[in-house]
Amino acid sequence: DTGVSQNPRHKITKRGQNVTFRCDPISEHNRLYWYRQTLGQGPEFLTYFQNEAQLEKSRLLSDRFSAERPKGSFSTLEIQRTEQGDSAMYLCASSPGTHTGELFFGEGSRLTVL
Amino acid sequence: GENVEQHPSTLSVQEGDSAVIKCTYSDSASNYFPWYKQELGKGPQLIIDIRSNVGEKKDQRIAVTLNKTAKHFSLHITETQPEDSAVYFCAAKETSYDKVIFGPGTSLSVIP
Repeated sequence: DTGVSQNPRHKITKRGQNVTFRCDPISEHNRLYWYRQTLGQGPEFLTYFQNEAQLEKSRLLSDRFSAERPKGSFSTLEIQRTEQGDSAMYLCASSPGTHTGELFFGEGSRLTVL
Repeated sequence: GENVEQHPSTLSVQEGDSAVIKCTYSDSASNYFPWYKQELGKGPQLIIDIRSNVGEKKDQRIAVTLNKTAKHFSLHITETQPEDSAVYFCAAKETSYDKVIFGPGTSLSVIP
C-alpha cells in the first residue's frame, strides 16, 4: 500500500494556460475525490468518482474544470484558461467505499497562477 | 447543503494541558462526523470519527462527543504534546451521499 499519489506536487503557470493534475489512488479503492484547499481554509469538495463514473460535481467547478477517471483507476483534473483565483492546493482522496467513510488523502498538488 | 462551522480558528495550549475544538453542522441528515489532522505539507489524515448512534468515542488521548439535538460535536485532546501541533478539521457526511464537508479548521499550537 503506497498511499495516494499526486503529481505534480507543485505547478507554477501563467494566467490563461491549461494545467493537468494526476491522482493515483490506493489500489482497489473504488471511490476517488477531488478537493480544493486555499490558505487557512478547509478542503472544499469539487467532485467524486465511483469507479469510472463521475457521480457528483460541485457548483464550485466551473466549466473550465474537468475531471476524468478512465478505467476506474487514476484520475486527472484539468483546469483550462487558468485564472489567479485558481491558485490553491488540489487534494485527491480515495476511499474503499465501505460504510466507514474514511478518506485517504494524497499530499496535494499546489497550483500557483501568475 | 451541509455547512460545518468550527471554533476556535487558532488555539494555543501549554504542553500537558487539554485542548477542545467545537463544531456545528446544519444538515440534520448528517450521521457521520470525522476529524482530520493536517500537518504542514501533508494531506489531512483521519484521527477519529463518530457516528450519530453514538454520543461519545475515545481513543487514547483523543475523544469526540456528539449532540445530535443541538447539532454540535467536539474534539477533546488531553495531555497535549508538541507533536499534536497541526491543523484540525471537523467534517460531516450523510450516509446516502458520498461527499464529506469540512469545517474551516483549527490551528493548534502546543507550547513545550
